[in-house]
Amino acid sequence: DVVMTQTPLSLSVTPGQPASISCKSSQSLLHGDGKTYLYWYLQRPGQSPQVLIYELSNRFSGVPDRFSGSGSGTDFTLKISRVEAEDVGIYYCMQTMHLPYNFGQGTTLEIK
Amino acid sequence: QVQLVESGGGVVQPGTSLRLSCAASGFTFSTHAMHWVRQAPGKGLEWAAVIWNDGSKRYYEDSVKGRFSISRDNSKNTLYLQMNSLRVEDTAVYYCARHGGPWGQGTLVTVSS
Repeated sequence: DVVMTQTPLSLSVTPGQPASISCKSSQSLLHGDGKTYLYWYLQRPGQSPQVLIYELSNRFSGVPDRFSGSGSGTDFTLKISRVEAEDVGIYYCMQTMHLPYNFGQGTTLEIK
Repeated sequence: QVQLVESGGGVVQPGTSLRLSCAASGFTFSTHAMHWVRQAPGKGLEWAAVIWNDGSKRYYEDSVKGRFSISRDNSKNTLYLQMNSLRVEDTAVYYCARHGGPWGQGTLVTVSS
């Protein structure tokens, strides 16, 4: 099975400052169709997860442009250009390239 | 707008069955693969099952294989999860998710004697 490893597991960020979360997969997530099947989700406290980024770098409808996804193959990054209070929660990466699909452990973001 | 509403959760005893439903609206249900994802209390996300848009393929996470069955009725825009031989460790919030997003609000399944 593919192993998804997120770092760091927690981070504390001052509002207005950038933040970055890494996700590494044990196998390449690049499909023969040219797409990379890596997704980023945010679960705010008490809420269901919402998709931020799909297929490596595409922002889901309504997601602010301060969120961006990048990477290739097995190394991926979610960047928040300027953290806001509403960005608090747990961030998960997920792969749907290899069965069984799975998630990273989650990264908790808190505001300083 | 896209909406996914799960139902069917509850408290059940180990070894019993439960069927979850997910009513979809606001998009062409029959063109999207759908997932069930679960989250045990205080834990991370665990993918459980996926079904192709036309129902032709279904895949499961190992711990639910042989006990859970994912299905869909595209005429009713509804996704299902039949859960048999439930175990205490199946206790979780179960989310219905369209492939690539979004997700529903979840339904809580508690397996306890």
